[in-house]
Amino acid sequence: AQTIHQWPVAEIKAVGSPLSLGCTIKGKSSPNLYWYWQATGGTLQQLFYSITVGQVESVVQLNLSASRPKDDQFILSTEKLLLSHSGFYLCAWTGQDTQYFGPGTRLLVL
Amino acid sequence: QQQVRQSPQSLTVWEGETAILNCSYEDSTFDYFPWYWQFPRESPALLIAIRPVSNKKEDGRFTIFFNKREKKLSLHITDSQPGDSATYFCAASDSNYQLIWGSGTKLIIKP
Repeated sequence: AQTIHQWPVAEIKAVGSPLSLGCTIKGKSSPNLYWYWQATGGTLQQLFYSITVGQVESVVQLNLSASRPKDDQFILSTEKLLLSHSGFYLCAWTGQDTQYFGPGTRLLVL
Repeated sequence: QQQVRQSPQSLTVWEGETAILNCSYEDSTFDYFPWYWQFPRESPALLIAIRPVSNKKEDGRFTIFFNKREKKLSLHITDSQPGDSATYFCAASDSNYQLIWGSGTKLIIKP
């Protein structure tokens, strides 16, 4: 069975500080991986997706970047956080047309 | 350009009633339509999905009705329970495994 893990679970960060969020999937080789952002009470905004190691496509950047250093790992980062980065960050993978989400990371930027 | 629309934005029904959530889309090449539900402080989870070859998909109290000609679909929740209270997202997929998401319907079931 596939499992998806995100870290950290939650973060409180200062405006202007760096950020790195991680996602790892086990039990699935060469998965399509996605990063989403969700404002409180809002819809899901796809940020990035990756089909293979080293390849990342941007959908909406929001002053963020993503990397896929390993087959099972997807990283979301920025060097300078903005207040607007607060929200719920979700990693997802595709299995038989369906996207399955990780537990998410809650970020509060102050 | 918003390609998947949901209505209503919020819906309140009494326990035991049928809740009807609506979704429409614009791109006729979409070939997979999943519905997700999301409980507060949790990530979205797949609830039920349909492909255009069918006009109905049923799973217990949850049924999708699909009208390909009108590019509309609806999710019917019969015998609504308080535990069904959640935000429901309709999505549509193209052949590139990208999901286009609706804005969600917040459903409240009153006991």
